[in-house]
Formats: sequence, structure tokens, C-alpha cells
Amino acid sequence: QSVLTQPPSVSGAPGQRVTISCTGSSSNIGAGYDVHWYQQLPGTAPKLLIYGNSNRPSGVPDRFSGSKSGTSASLAISGLQAEDEADYYCQSYDSSLSVVFGGGTKLTVL
Amino acid sequence: EVQLVQSGAEVKKPGESLKISCKGSGYSFTSYWIGWVRQMPGKGLEWMGIIYPGDSDTRYSPSFQGQVTISADKSISTAYLQWSSLKASDTAMYYCARHRYYDILTGYSCDYWGQGTLVTVSS
Repeated sequence: QSVLTQPPSVSGAPGQRVTISCTGSSSNIGAGYDVHWYQQLPGTAPKLLIYGNSNRPSGVPDRFSGSKSGTSASLAISGLQAEDEADYYCQSYDSSLSVVFGGGTKLTVL
Repeated sequence: EVQLVQSGAEVKKPGESLKISCKGSGYSFTSYWIGWVRQMPGKGLEWMGIIYPGDSDTRYSPSFQGQVTISADKSISTAYLQWSSLKASDTAMYYCARHRYYDILTGYSCDYWGQGTLVTVSS
């Protein structure tokens, strides 16, 4: 049971927009800690996609965007492409003095 | 170019000890936290802990405290993850990741990752 809750799967057709939610609590996201997002393509190491709730590292397309409100955060992917099919993870910090990850969401491009 | 290169796959028996490594290059190794993330077969990411090679300050997830040891040798820009007695349940892919610390609320993000080390524990 992960500290941060994500839907196990989401799907969308090419060109569509999908969102992935990440729900925490008053001891992590709700305490004001920022959320970071990672993309893990099949068989590869995770890659930082969004940091500090809504900032994209250099090289990440602006199709990817992040937001945070209250005890939740969201990752939005617009203009869905086949290459976006991957697992996505949110990550934050918890008052238990630990970095915490969400359980992950598998994105399927139909 | 920042690179984290991990040691190769390991096959061990229950009860054996193991130390895997992660060598950093392309950045000041002593100026960033570096840590370890576990991914069990078909499962999600689990944060294990981090070390600051500059002063060896080490922090563990409560879930992994006492189960593993994280260390670093700054003279060779290498971080380590060590087990004294492996269990079958330690079978997983282990990633090292450079942790960038922003501020008290932004916390840490893992901005660079190693390629992973597969550890298989089986009798």
C-alpha cells in the first residue's frame, strides 16, 4: 500500500489528453511538500518528467504538465503519442522523514 | 554529462552478503545526495534511502532502516548498497539516483538515474 495513491491504469487515443492523479494526505502533499513525476518506459530506468509540481527539466516536451492542489497532484499529457506508453510515478516527501512514491500508473495508448 | 553507472547483475543464495555499487561522473559527487530505489518484479518504485557523500550523512526509509546499509567512497565517486544476509524477498531491480535538493518544501527529486542492478536471491 503506497503512501501516495495513483490509479493503476489510464488510457487514451493518439492526440487525446489524459490526466493521472496522485492523492496524498496531510503528512505529505497536504503539508505543502512538492510533487515530482517520473516516466518509466518498458525495460528502462525511470526518468524525471516534472519537478516542483509543474516544472519541466530541459528536453521534456511541453505536452507534459503538472499541477498540485490541496492533498493531490495531477500529471496531464496532451497530444498523446504512442511513445508515451509507459508507467508514471508521482513522488513527494512525507513528515515521517522519508521520500515517498505513488504506486504507479500504466498509460496505454489505444 | 552526468552519468551513474551501476555494477552488474548478481545471483546470490539466501543468507549471503552483497554489496552493489553506483559510480557517478560528470558532476561534483560530493555536492549532491545519492540514493537507492527498489523495484520488485512487476511492482512500483520504493525509496530506500540516501547519502550525502560530502559528509556521509545518511537517511533511511523507515521500511529499510536496519535492513540495508548505504555508504559512499567520495575518493572514487561511488555509492554502495549493502546487505549482510540476503532473503528471497530482496530479489528486485535496484536503481541508484542522484537526488537534487531544492528547499524544505520542494524537497528532493531524482534527476539522474543509473541503469539498474538486478539482484536475484534464490536457493
